[in-house]
Amino acid sequence: DQQVKQNSPSLSVQEGRISILNCDYTNSMFDYFLWYKKYPAEGPTFLISISSIKDKNEDGRFTVFLNKSAKHLSLHIVPSQPGDSAVYFCAASSNQFYFGTGTSLTVIP
Amino acid sequence: EAGVAQSPRYKIIEKRQSVAFWCNPISGHATLYWYQQILGQGPKLLIQFQNNGVVDDSQLPKDRFSAERLKGVDSTLKIQPAKLEDSAVYLCASSFGLGAYEQYFGPGTRLTVT
Repeated sequence: DQQVKQNSPSLSVQEGRISILNCDYTNSMFDYFLWYKKYPAEGPTFLISISSIKDKNEDGRFTVFLNKSAKHLSLHIVPSQPGDSAVYFCAASSNQFYFGTGTSLTVIP
Repeated sequence: EAGVAQSPRYKIIEKRQSVAFWCNPISGHATLYWYQQILGQGPKLLIQFQNNGVVDDSQLPKDRFSAERLKGVDSTLKIQPAKLEDSAVYLCASSFGLGAYEQYFGPGTRLTVT
């Protein structure tokens, strides 16, 4: 039972353009959402989070949007840089964390 | 600040053998998590500790997996006996507390069961 879904396994974007990564969830009890970035042979690294009482959170080039009615979460990276190339996982939490399957982002120089 | 430490980084065993993984969380982090990440999937929570008590182990296959967190600091995860489907990366993470706190992950242990 996949409670958090990332339907796009991969995404390619030109350097300097916007990257939009999407995530859908099914459990309306989730109250905290996070994005993690993962490089090969490393553990996931926390990127940005948002509480369910907000609809937007911004940190530098990274912005997370939350649409509770659609149960949809997105991560915007502007401008995209080659160093952003990694696998991105979204996660959602009520009393336990659930992770999506990841989206592999490639930023083309 | 030192991150989450895990060892070993890689382990290859035959099915029916046993294996143990070790995790040292970030100093001061009360909550510790063990995740299993199978290739192509997201991390799946196996067990969650708050200090030295178990908060959630609902997805831990208790017939073969066990975990402990003695003294509320280091933790070990054991598999006995291992099956082929246990081949995965085992990630340890820690956070300041329960709830809305981000988790910090270690580098993981890649287990291959042959």
